[in-house]
Amino acid sequence: NAGVTQTPKFRVLKTGQSMTLLCAQDMNHEYMYWYRQDPGMGLRLIHYSVGEGTTAKGEVPDGYNVSRLKKQNFLLGLESAAPSQTSVYFCASSPSPKNIQYFGAGTRLSVL
Amino acid sequence: GENVEQHPSTLSVQEGDSAVIKCTYSDSASNYFPWYKQELGKRPQLIIDIRSNVGEKKDQRIAVTLNKTAKHFSLHITETQPEDSAVYFCAASGNYGQNFVFGPGTRLSVLP
Repeated sequence: NAGVTQTPKFRVLKTGQSMTLLCAQDMNHEYMYWYRQDPGMGLRLIHYSVGEGTTAKGEVPDGYNVSRLKKQNFLLGLESAAPSQTSVYFCASSPSPKNIQYFGAGTRLSVL
Repeated sequence: GENVEQHPSTLSVQEGDSAVIKCTYSDSASNYFPWYKQELGKRPQLIIDIRSNVGEKKDQRIAVTLNKTAKHFSLHITETQPEDSAVYFCAASGNYGQNFVFGPGTRLSVLP
């Protein structure tokens, strides 16, 4: 039982490049979330999903897209990376919004 | 939408003393209040949570209290130890994913 797995762990991009972050969970959770965490700040919700094939915007969705084609996977895409997207990205999953969120180990992204 | 404030932003205590972190929320519909601990470079992990039908919950040295009327909840750590040093986040959640909002965090340092 691996829990929530994020890949990659680190990535450096140049401005304008694109990339996809993968989140996989093996707990059969319906809810999945993508957060970003900037230094000195809390966790800000980018997008979330309440089930396979559904996605919704969070607090800071601009510049990001997501997809949930399979229940266990939640992908976060950056189409044209900007320096303002330099951050640590965490994925989380939960059986419901009123329950524990299990976090992945995070992806540290730098955009130059 | 929901807004969660957290105080203090930093807290230093002597080993063995108690620590208290307070959070306020704005949405009266919120009904689930978890607390997460994040050690340096690690993922956030749940340490305790409370639901709106309960006023207080305790787990060994950690306790959480909830005042629904005043819309605030607090984390209490007794007999603090150096391994309690971390950033603590409160959060509030309603029935939908978008309403799960984290506070900005409190950096707790336990001095030996």
